Amino acid sequence: ETGVTQSPTHLIKTRGQQVTLRCSSQSGHNTVSWYQQALGQGPQFIFQYYREEENGRGNFPPRFSGLQFPNYSSELNVNALELDDSALYLCASRQVYRGKSDGYTFGSGTRLTVV
Amino acid sequence: ILNVEQSPQSLHVQEGDSTNFTCSFPSSNFYALHWYRWETAKSPEALFVMTLNGDEKKKGRISATLNTKEGYSYLYIKGSQPEDSATYLCAPPRAGSYQLTFGKGTKLSVIP
Repeated sequence: ETGVTQSPTHLIKTRGQQVTLRCSSQSGHNTVSWYQQALGQGPQFIFQYYREEENGRGNFPPRFSGLQFPNYSSELNVNALELDDSALYLCASRQVYRGKSDGYTFGSGTRLTVV
Repeated sequence: ILNVEQSPQSLHVQEGDSTNFTCSFPSSNFYALHWYRWETAKSPEALFVMTLNGDEKKKGRISATLNTKEGYSYLYIKGSQPEDSATYLCAPPRAGSYQLTFGKGTKLSVIP
């Protein structure tokens, strides 16, 4: 499979709820990262998974968690949603081999609105 | 936290004009610099990954240069076309990791 697909494309949740966002990475890509883009900002790094293990985390609280599966899919889970969590969430994957890699392949994002 | 600045914030040019914009980043512990093009309602698309001081890369009418000693990169678009309208993002990874730190981007609008 080529490209990165994310689901759903749009989502509305209530403050305090939990949400799971899904991403299907490009086939063969062993690394997936999640980014949050708030209005007027560049994407902010949430965390990265390499071979199903988290190997990097940005400045986000523990209620942001993730999983990566052997079939190149991954999830971003957010508990206890807050209004400030309203943003576009991007998934990006790439193949890392011997410490080298090309640029990321991004999905088109999930727009989360918390009300 | 890396401080990545992009300028200008937005730009309007006429079709056929050439244009350029800047990405500034900390020069210490430089590792690489990514450029992405992001059209509205689409996915960010990788343009270049640059690693060496003095690097110059080209993709069609788009090219980029890199100065790691002074901490900046320029992106040039020759003969802008309406389909070049997009937000252009630069992102250096943090040294020793693959975490990208994005600037806020330069939004380019090409007027037919």
